[in-house]
Amino acid sequence: NAGVTQTPKFQVLKTGQSMTLQCAQDMNHNSMYWYRQDPGMGLRLIYYSASEGTTDKGEVPNGYNVSRLNKREFSLRLESAAPSQTSVYFCASRGPGANVLTFGAGSRLTVL
Amino acid sequence: AQSVTQLGSHVSVSEGALVLLRCNYSSSVPPYLFWYVQYPNQGLQLLLKYTTGATLVKGINGFEAEFKKSETSFHLTKPSAHMSDAAEYFCAVSESNRYSSASKIIFGSGTRLSIRP
Repeated sequence: NAGVTQTPKFQVLKTGQSMTLQCAQDMNHNSMYWYRQDPGMGLRLIYYSASEGTTDKGEVPNGYNVSRLNKREFSLRLESAAPSQTSVYFCASRGPGANVLTFGAGSRLTVL
Repeated sequence: AQSVTQLGSHVSVSEGALVLLRCNYSSSVPPYLFWYVQYPNQGLQLLLKYTTGATLVKGINGFEAEFKKSETSFHLTKPSAHMSDAAEYFCAVSESNRYSSASKIIFGSGTRLSIRP
């Protein structure tokens, strides 16, 4: 049982490059989330998706786009990366009634 | 909109001493509250949660937290710290209702717990 799988685990980009972080869950959860973690700032919600076909902005959506491709997959795209987007990104999912997030292992992104 | 404030970015206690990590929340509706723990270079895992019912919630590894509506607090405690408790702890709040998981889950800035031998 893999839970939540994120790829890649590490990525280095140059300013202005684009990339997509992939996230997939195998728990049949409806809701999925993308967070970024920065020292001293905890986890900040970027986007979330309540169900397939819907997405909503979180606390810090600027500079990011998301796609809920199907129930399993929720991707995060940086169209033009900036050094301020250097962070560790976590994907999480949540099933109905459980009220508990299951997190992936994280993706460490460095933008030079 | 909901929010979470964790008082103290770093707490240091001696092994065997009481652990107290503070969390205050703001929510316009009855909240669901959570504590998560993150060990170095790992993702987050759930310690405990409050949804409804008993206000004193017990979690894993001997941790517990008490929901105090009048103080809008959900502080995390453990009677006796162990070296393995060294980690970062996050308080989180959600305004979802029990019939839907369609809601934001907002985290505090975290408290790093260090244990002195």
